[in-house]
Amino acid sequence: DSGVTQTPKHLITATGQRVTLRCSPRSGDLSVYWYQQSLDQGLQFLIQYYNGEERAKGNILERFSAQQFPDLHSELNLSSLELGDSALYFCASSVKWGNTEAFFGQGTRLTVV
Amino acid sequence: QQQVKQSPQSLIVQKGGISIINCAYENTAFDYFPWYQQFPGKGPALLIAIRPDVSEKKEGRFTISFNKSAKQFSLHIMDSQPGDSATYFCAASRETSGSRLTFGEGTQLTVNP
Repeated sequence: DSGVTQTPKHLITATGQRVTLRCSPRSGDLSVYWYQQSLDQGLQFLIQYYNGEERAKGNILERFSAQQFPDLHSELNLSSLELGDSALYFCASSVKWGNTEAFFGQGTRLTVV
Repeated sequence: QQQVKQSPQSLIVQKGGISIINCAYENTAFDYFPWYQQFPGKGPALLIAIRPDVSEKKEGRFTISFNKSAKQFSLHIMDSQPGDSATYFCAASRETSGSRLTFGEGTQLTVNP
């Protein structure tokens, strides 16, 4: 158990809908990252927060947004869902800024039908 | 642009054999090179990591070899076991980007008994 909790584990929704994925980082970790894992794209960085502030964006679509709350949990919002958004979404956290171990949650498997 | 290239895509090894996975990177600003192990249904977990000031790091049966001039690094799994069967990802990051990771494409390792 990495200590990073993601909910829900599985999500099935229809095209055009909006969903929210939730992540609770390890206790004390200030950095939160979101990654998307799909068969054809591998593990792709989406967005990064540090102590409540957005620090970097990667390959994140405009239909997607995220935030980190004062208690450091984070939510990833996916809207106007398309079939191609079906993927595993991982949250990771690390204790500080800089090259240090990132701990991954078990992921949320999103299926868009 | 894929900044970390990984090979092979899949690897089958007999129990007791040596598994070797290779990665090459483009961005010379990278200064942290972890390997992650992922089992089905689980998130990636850090296996071993190296920084470019050393050419080799060994932890148990796992060794990273690093060649800074060639911008390549590899994972060697000695005495491979069926329990090592998993997907392995190399990754890279740089201090100024926190622990945000650029992943390779992944290698699916199967160790036959």
